[in-house]
Amino acid sequence: DTEVTQTPKHLVMGMTNKKSLKCEQHMGHRAMYWYKQKAKKPPELMFVYSYEKLSINESVPSRFSPECPNSSLLNLHLHALQPEDSALYLCASSQDFYEKLFFGSGTQLSVL
Amino acid sequence: DQQVKQNSPSLSVQEGRISILNCDYTNSMFDYFLWYKKYPAEGPTFLISISSIKDKNEDGRFTVFLNKSAKHLSLHIVPSQPGDSAVYFCAAPSGGGKLIFGQGTELSVKP
Repeated sequence: DTEVTQTPKHLVMGMTNKKSLKCEQHMGHRAMYWYKQKAKKPPELMFVYSYEKLSINESVPSRFSPECPNSSLLNLHLHALQPEDSALYLCASSQDFYEKLFFGSGTQLSVL
Repeated sequence: DQQVKQNSPSLSVQEGRISILNCDYTNSMFDYFLWYKKYPAEGPTFLISISSIKDKNEDGRFTVFLNKSAKHLSLHIVPSQPGDSAVYFCAAPSGGGKLIFGQGTELSVKP
């Protein structure tokens, strides 16, 4: 199994909603990541988890809250988002740092 | 400060010909590079990588060349196929799990 699975694939939410994005991998990878990508731009790193502990937060606003319940799961909790937060949110995992990242297919988020 | 640069936002190539995508970097500490391919509304997929101890790595139709003195790498696709049409990102790990991406090059392969 070399997949990173993300749900939902699409999400539309209002600025007062609370929602969560989910990510799962069963490759035994110890590093998991959240990236944000706008159309035709490179992915922007948001958070890195290593061995289930948050190791990097790229100064992401607190309306994005990551959670790593166990080594296979990664969540991103969303609250009070702004329309400019509309983007493709990508989860990725790797065996370790400096290893290639496996990306999920992403959640296309629209904030109205 | 853009440490990984892809100066060509787009490239158009005829099917069957060679596609050459270029990438420059400024940080001489980078010692490993990766290429990712991305279709619209999908996550990037890993294509090929190269370590700085090599100057070439080949995988089927894809070859990556590294010129350390020029801080330049290139991805060659031979022969190009319409299914190769996508955005290609080069990237370098910068430590602690950070992957520095270039801006991407959109490749269009015309039948």
